[in-house]
Amino acid sequence: LAKTTQPISMDSYEGQEVNITCSHNNIATNDYITWYQQFPSQGPRFIIQGYKTKVTNEVASLFIPADRKSSTLSLPRVSLSDTAVYYCLVGGGGADGLTFGKGTHLIIQP
Amino acid sequence: GAVVSQHPSRVICKSGTSVKIECRSLDFQATTMFWYRQFPKQSLMLMATSNEGSKATYEQGVEKDKFLINHASLTLSTLTVTSAHPEDSSFYICSVMGRNEQFFGPGTRLTVL
Repeated sequence: LAKTTQPISMDSYEGQEVNITCSHNNIATNDYITWYQQFPSQGPRFIIQGYKTKVTNEVASLFIPADRKSSTLSLPRVSLSDTAVYYCLVGGGGADGLTFGKGTHLIIQP
Repeated sequence: GAVVSQHPSRVICKSGTSVKIECRSLDFQATTMFWYRQFPKQSLMLMATSNEGSKATYEQGVEKDKFLINHASLTLSTLTVTSAHPEDSSFYICSVMGRNEQFFGPGTRLTVL
């Protein structure tokens, strides 16, 4: 499974757009890029998944450049409740157990 | 996405006892489920892959005789921590494999005294 690198922590303010970038230089051809959100003492929650270009859903957007060696999770107009750890994972479509990196601890301030 | 439940959400037990944790897929038939463990301030670590009707596959360093996994139906997998010790205290999370992503349960907090 491709290794991922993302910032350990980020800070922002309510109402701002937050972009978290993840590097995955060794991504394989059949790998998807998936982002999860985790609150303390809860299981991770699926946010968004993509393979290439741009994907958007009701909570986030995922930007993937043509070389797919990185991806950026974009959270529009964050609120205090978006304070959580965000994990970027790369893998072959969920067929295997996931290898979690350290994630990005996002702190939103008022 | 799939809805996954775990029971119990929290358990405290004495050292040497065994604890069973259930993972249920409520609206999805899961041929494969996964078990993870998360220590405080750390990331999730995959423990094993639970396959319906067959033996589980354990990750390196995870003792299969200590962490017994049974996946007897398409909606239920159980993890039994046998002869639990304080170092087994952790947050145990299961997941169900969807089409291209995994859906996680809410987790079970195990505290071994």
